[in-house]
Parts: sequence; structure tokens; C-alpha cells
Amino acid sequence: GQNIDQPTEMTATEGAIVQINCTYQTSGFNGLFWYQQHAGEAPTFLSYNVLDGLEEKGRFSSFLSRSKGYSYLLLKELQMKDSASYLCAVRDLNRKGRRALTFGSGTRLQVQP
Amino acid sequence: GAGVSQSPSNKVTEKGKDVELRCDPISGHTALYWYRQSLGQGLEFLIYFQGNSAPDKSGLPSDRFSAERTGGSVSTLTIQRTQQEDSAVYLCASSESTSYTDTQYFGPGTRLTVL
Repeated sequence: GQNIDQPTEMTATEGAIVQINCTYQTSGFNGLFWYQQHAGEAPTFLSYNVLDGLEEKGRFSSFLSRSKGYSYLLLKELQMKDSASYLCAVRDLNRKGRRALTFGSGTRLQVQP
Repeated sequence: GAGVSQSPSNKVTEKGKDVELRCDPISGHTALYWYRQSLGQGLEFLIYFQGNSAPDKSGLPSDRFSAERTGGSVSTLTIQRTQQEDSAVYLCASSESTSYTDTQYFGPGTRLTVL
């Protein structure tokens, strides 16, 4: 997606920790979302950040720095079922669709035994 | 409760034919979005409905694409005279637009293949 960058692929080991980075450019920032998408399935909501800092939810945490246009998703104690694509998306009220989300192309995470 | 549902799950059509894709949002959600996801691409915004307001059509790629939302609930995306480049997964999402996060919840999508 335009102005949103994230790595295309990552590989990690079961039980380990992985950090997926996302950088973005907006003029009317109104929130950053992370979604998980298993192959052939719908994206499912993981986390939301609108203020700077870390949001923790179980094994998943998401961090935001608005001044740097940067976020990361941290996955701890990786499980095989975490193999999926992770989509970074922002809401930019100055872009077309206003409340619609602009998505990155996604990071495909492969968890290995 | 029930999530967003879409039908059909798969649609194969011939170039030049018209297709209709349906979305049933989560009950009570006032906002509804259509996106499409082409192979290897990020989700691309198409159109957005909010309550009784006029839809935001700024993401529609051509005038062959249109959508309506009847009674503030079910939505239909219509693609006329389909082209091969229209082949993609079409995803619908809904949200409670009044909530702080306004999180969008996605349906399973319709995979459209234009031969």
C-alpha cells in the first residue's frame, strides 16, 4: 500500500520472539491497526494504537511512535499457528475514504519448529 | 454474535459479464466498507457507507464499479462488463463508527475470477 512499508517475509522459530516493523506517512493520522490474515481467510483484528507507547494483549504487543511514523508488532512465545500474514494499516483522515484504512502489503511470517 | 458474512464465497465469470457481490454486516454496525485484495497486494479501499450519508466512492477504480446499501444494512457491490484485471478477493468490513477505535471487522471475502 502507498506510504506504508513493512517487510515482505520473515522467518522465526517456535517459542521465540519476533518483531514486525511498519513505517508510514500520513497527514491526518487517526490510528494504526494490526491485522492477522491466514491464507485464504479474512483479516482478523489484533491491535489498535492511536497514542504513543506500547499496547499489550497477551502474547501480542504493538508499539507506536507518531513522531517517527513507526510501529511494530511483537509476538512472543511463537506458536506454529502464528504462521500468517500480518497487515499494518493506518487511518488517515486526509486520504480518500477518510475513515477507511490504508494497508501495507503485509508481512508473511513463517514459524518453524 | 454473527460476524460479517459475504456471498458467494467464490465466483467465476467470463470477461464482459456483470457480477454482484453481497455483504451482510454485523448487526448494529453503521459503517460498511468494501476493499479488494489482488494477489500479492495490500488491501485497496473501494467504497465506504456511513449511516444514511452519501457513500464515499473515491476508491472505485472505474465507473464499471458501483455499490448500494439498502436499509442501512446489506450491501451489494456490482461490477459491470468484468475485465480480467478485476480478478481479486473482494472483502467487506463493518464497524461501529461511533466507537473510539472504530475497528473494522472483515468478512471472509468473495474470490472473483474473470476468465
